[in-house]
Amino acid sequence: AQKITQTQPGMFVQEKEAVTLDCTYDTSDQSYGLFWYKQPSSGEMIFLIYQGSYDEQNATEGRYSLNFQKARKSANLVISASQLGDSAMYFCASSSGGSYIPTFGRGTSLIVHP
Amino acid sequence: NAGVMQNPRHLVRRRGQEARLRCSPMKGHSHVYWYRQLPEEGLKFMVYLQKENIIDESGMPKERFSAEFPKEGPSILRIQQVVRGDSAAYFCASSPTFARDTYEQYFGPGTRLTVT
Repeated sequence: AQKITQTQPGMFVQEKEAVTLDCTYDTSDQSYGLFWYKQPSSGEMIFLIYQGSYDEQNATEGRYSLNFQKARKSANLVISASQLGDSAMYFCASSSGGSYIPTFGRGTSLIVHP
Repeated sequence: NAGVMQNPRHLVRRRGQEARLRCSPMKGHSHVYWYRQLPEEGLKFMVYLQKENIIDESGMPKERFSAEFPKEGPSILRIQQVVRGDSAAYFCASSPTFARDTYEQYFGPGTRLTVT
């Protein structure tokens, strides 16, 4: 079984600054994937970034990067140069390698101030 | 190329009524997944369907909930005799083939069900 913990219910950041959203995971699987999704107030789930457990490099997608620390079982999302449109809920999720069933965390609400 | 469509976006039902949620997958996608998001929670997997087949319903409550994905038309998630605890956002995702991993699923905008 997988478990995702997001300890920050809410985060605030100034526009143009970087912000880190924490995520720790618990799994006994050797092969697994880690994901981040963004859920704006309109409600849709937007896939942001993926990290495989065997990937040696941290995943990056534009302004998003995933700080993967396998020994600490953490998969923090770093958003650089925050924009007002980044204000949303952010969910960390994991799944066993090759599984279509993800386990989601409770989410972190990010508010970007002008 | 339209994304995953869900309707209605908002649905209000009284206790005891039936709720029908529809999901039209992306064009060319034949696999559909339903998730439920309770208030202040992450999404939880409910059921995985292919056309005319239920592949995995391990996350589906045993009573009152059913899902189908007919040969023609959208996938339907049906909740009979709704109770207040069914109030949640229900998300549908689709993939072109078997999604080897979660990131290959494309999510719809969700249906927010409120039971009064």
